[in-house]
Amino acid sequence: AQTVTQSQPEMSVQEAETVTLSCTYDTSESNYYLFWYKQPPSRQMILVIRQEAYKQQNATENRFSVNFQKAAKSFSLKISDSQLGDTAMYFCAFVGRQGAQKLVFGQGTRLTINP
Amino acid sequence: DAGITQSPRHKVTETGTPVTLRCHQTENHRYMYWYRQDPGHGLRLIHYSYGVKDTDKGEVSDGYSVSRSKTEDFLLTLESATSSQTSVYFCAISESTATNEKLFFGSGTQLSVL
Repeated sequence: AQTVTQSQPEMSVQEAETVTLSCTYDTSESNYYLFWYKQPPSRQMILVIRQEAYKQQNATENRFSVNFQKAAKSFSLKISDSQLGDTAMYFCAFVGRQGAQKLVFGQGTRLTINP
Repeated sequence: DAGITQSPRHKVTETGTPVTLRCHQTENHRYMYWYRQDPGHGLRLIHYSYGVKDTDKGEVSDGYSVSRSKTEDFLLTLESATSSQTSVYFCAISESTATNEKLFFGSGTQLSVL
């Protein structure tokens, strides 16, 4: 079974700083998707970025980028020029491309951006 | 945003009573999911559906049942609610079974079992 681990329960940085959230996963599959979701206090789940395992190039979305290390099974999220609106819970997630498409989540990292 | 609605948004009930949560979509997506969110556990899959009347269990399915009689509706039932089922419940829909590139989430239901 696939597992996703986020080892940082909480993080806090100053506005405009860069912050990196860690995520590791375990799977025997060779092709899969990885995601970062953001959950602000409103409870809404918002897709931040996704990475396809067969693509070697790291995904980027504006201030958000990932460092995907397939061999190490690591998928970290970097937020550049952090903003107050980035304050939220962040979840790393995995889904394989074979069989039942069960999305597996990590435990989450609570990120606080301080003014 | 995807058309996905969960009801109710909040519910308080007593131990031993049955509870049904509803997820309604207007996107005609094939896959629908129920997750529960608890502190320290992220989101855990309860049940999912890959078509009308086609459902399967997730990792925390004990104490829950589901039904999908129409494409647009996916119901989650707690036959006899327990305090351990106090949680936030999310419904999600998938736009593609081939790639599952994205999931769209509902706004969640806060369920308190007293």
